[in-house]
Amino acid sequence: GENVEQHPSTLSVQEGDSAVIKCTYSDSASNYFPWYKQELGKGPQLIIDIRSNVGEKKDQRIAVTLNKTAKHFSLHITETQPEDSAVYFCAASRAYKLSFGAGTTVTVRA
Amino acid sequence: GAVVSQHPSWVICKSGTSVKIECRSLDFQATTMFWYRQFPKQSLMLMATSNEGSKATYEQGVEKDKFLINHASLTLSTLTVTSAHPEDSSFYICSASLSMSNTEAFFGQGTRLTVV
Repeated sequence: GENVEQHPSTLSVQEGDSAVIKCTYSDSASNYFPWYKQELGKGPQLIIDIRSNVGEKKDQRIAVTLNKTAKHFSLHITETQPEDSAVYFCAASRAYKLSFGAGTTVTVRA
Repeated sequence: GAVVSQHPSWVICKSGTSVKIECRSLDFQATTMFWYRQFPKQSLMLMATSNEGSKATYEQGVEKDKFLINHASLTLSTLTVTSAHPEDSSFYICSASLSMSNTEAFFGQGTRLTVV
């Protein structure tokens, strides 16, 4: 099955700086890569996703890049704000089943 | 995006009793729903996939007789934890997709189950 590795497990950044989270996947047939933000005690919220026919996608302060050859994809958050503090999960999917990374706890210091 | 509502958001039950968790898609018809379990500071673990009108498909290691899943309509799936024990205490989360071939999934807000 699919194996998704996510790094780092924790990330502390100064407000206004950028945050980058990286994931790798094992199944070359995976074609959908969403990123979720989870706040304490809540369900995951989709923040951005990318499909395998696209290399980069941006939505305001959030961007995702995908390197299919290397089987890497990354989340970039620019101009971080305290409300960006949360746990972020990457995932990969080939058909309908999502395989999640272990999560990254992001703390934005004011 | 589409809205998925989960109820209750938290529940405490006595050991040996059963608990039912509901997952509803509010503004779309969800052919496929997924149930996950999440332990503290861990990732989401898929428990089972349910398609409307058919039996759920359980992941390896998940007891189908303990975690009963019903997906009787296109907007409602239920997870019943039977004969709950303290080790079943966890955060249970559902998600819904338009179909098996549609990979975009929308998550509910989760249910915190505590078995005492």
